[in-house]
Amino acid sequence: NAGVTQTPKFQVLKTGQSMTLQCAQDMNHEYMSWYRQDPGMGLRLIHYSVGAGITDQGEVPNGYNVSRSTTEDFPLRLLSAAPSQTSVYFCASSKRILAGRGETQYFGPGTRLLVL
Amino acid sequence: DAKTTQPNSMESNEEEPVHLPCNHSTISGTDYIHWYRQLPSQGPEYVIHGLTSNVNNRMASLAIAEDRKSSTLILHRATLRDAAVYYCILRRLISGNTPLVFGKGTRLSVIA
Repeated sequence: NAGVTQTPKFQVLKTGQSMTLQCAQDMNHEYMSWYRQDPGMGLRLIHYSVGAGITDQGEVPNGYNVSRSTTEDFPLRLLSAAPSQTSVYFCASSKRILAGRGETQYFGPGTRLLVL
Repeated sequence: DAKTTQPNSMESNEEEPVHLPCNHSTISGTDYIHWYRQLPSQGPEYVIHGLTSNVNNRMASLAIAEDRKSSTLILHRATLRDAAVYYCILRRLISGNTPLVFGKGTRLSVIA
């Protein structure tokens, strides 16, 4: 298994440009999520999905869109990039569970985004 | 989810035990205690979790206070590869998945 993969690893954008960060997992996990991490900070949840066709907002959703058409993929779209979106973005996945007790989340290696 | 409080940073000598504390005074009876760590330039990785009893796995041990208002992650012999940010997270026992809520964690430095 490749686990959780993210592309690209690094991206430079100009203000106003749009782009899609790709995330894929091959573990048949129903739950997927996107986080951003700013320097010296913990991770903050952007959007998450509990299964194909179902998405919900996290703590910092503004400026980002997601969709979940397949179990494997969960792309994150930046609609109009701003310097404030300069960050490291992590995708995560886990099995769907009936209770939140012990489910491990698996994280991708991250995408470093610089918006000029 | 209830809030956790961790020291900003800790330092340890290589090959010595490390005790990373976490306070969670508002924990509810259905909150599980999870620990994740983030190595430099990597995504977080799961370390251990528990509810009431102490837990051991190949990476670490988790000691949970009797009143569950605090817990301690124990690395039995710190190595340079254990230098990371350690996050203590509470997850409520409810139906369906809930996202992890990360605080700032504890940055562990290991000195050779």
